[in-house]
Amino acid sequence: DAKTTQPTSMDCAEGRAANLPCNHSTISGNEYVYWYRQIHSQGPQYIIHGLKNNETNEMASLIITEDRKSSTLILPHATLRDTAVYYCIVRVGFGNEKLTFGTGTRLTIIP
Amino acid sequence: SAVISQKPSRDICQRGTSLTIQCQVDSQVTMMFWYRQQPGQSLTLIATANQGSEATYESGFVIDKFPISRPNLTFSTLTVSNMSPEDSSIYLCSVDPDRDLSSYNEQFFGPGTRLTVL
Repeated sequence: DAKTTQPTSMDCAEGRAANLPCNHSTISGNEYVYWYRQIHSQGPQYIIHGLKNNETNEMASLIITEDRKSSTLILPHATLRDTAVYYCIVRVGFGNEKLTFGTGTRLTIIP
Repeated sequence: SAVISQKPSRDICQRGTSLTIQCQVDSQVTMMFWYRQQPGQSLTLIATANQGSEATYESGFVIDKFPISRPNLTFSTLTVSNMSPEDSSIYLCSVDPDRDLSSYNEQFFGPGTRLTVL
C-alpha cells in the first residue's frame, strides 16, 4: 500500500468547514483513498472513500486532485462531536485487503 | 453494516499471565482482523483470522504470543500470552462483511479492549 502524509493536528471552529489534507504521491492506479476517524475511546469509523472523482455522503466530502497525488476531506459544518483522529488510507479497492493506518490528523473542534 | 462486541471492555492483569479477548459479530463474515493500539499510537494490524484456516500474522507478531481462534463465522478470540507491561494497549477486532470481492469492503471495528499489565 502507498503511504500517506497528514498534518499531525488541526483546529477548526465549531460550525465552520473542516478541511483535512492528505498527500499520497505514490498512489497506484488501482488504489482508492479511504478516510476513517477514531473518536476517543472508540474503534475507528469509516467516513468515505474515492478513486478519482469527488465524492460526497451524509458525513463528508472527498476532493481528490486530478493527478490523484493528494486529497482533502471536508466536514462541511463541524461540530464538537467531530473532534477525533482522522486517518487517510490508500489501498486496493477490492478483495480483502488489510487497512494500514498511519499517524492521522488529530482534529479539535473549538467552541 | 456489522455490529461488533468485545469482551472484556477492559482489564488489569499481572505480568506473566494470559488474557483471552472475545470478538462477537452480529452477522457471518469471512474476514476478521485483530489490531493493537499502543498508548498514543495508531493502529497496528496483528493478524488476519479466516474461518477454517490458520491466522496470518503480520511482521513482528507470532502465534505463540498472540494465539487466535476462529471457530465460526461470527466469533474470534485473541489471547495475549505471558504478558508484560509492554503489552498494555487497546486491542480491537474488525470485520470485512461478506460482499462481492470485486467491490470495496468497508471495515467495521469493535469498541476495543483496554488492557493494562502491571
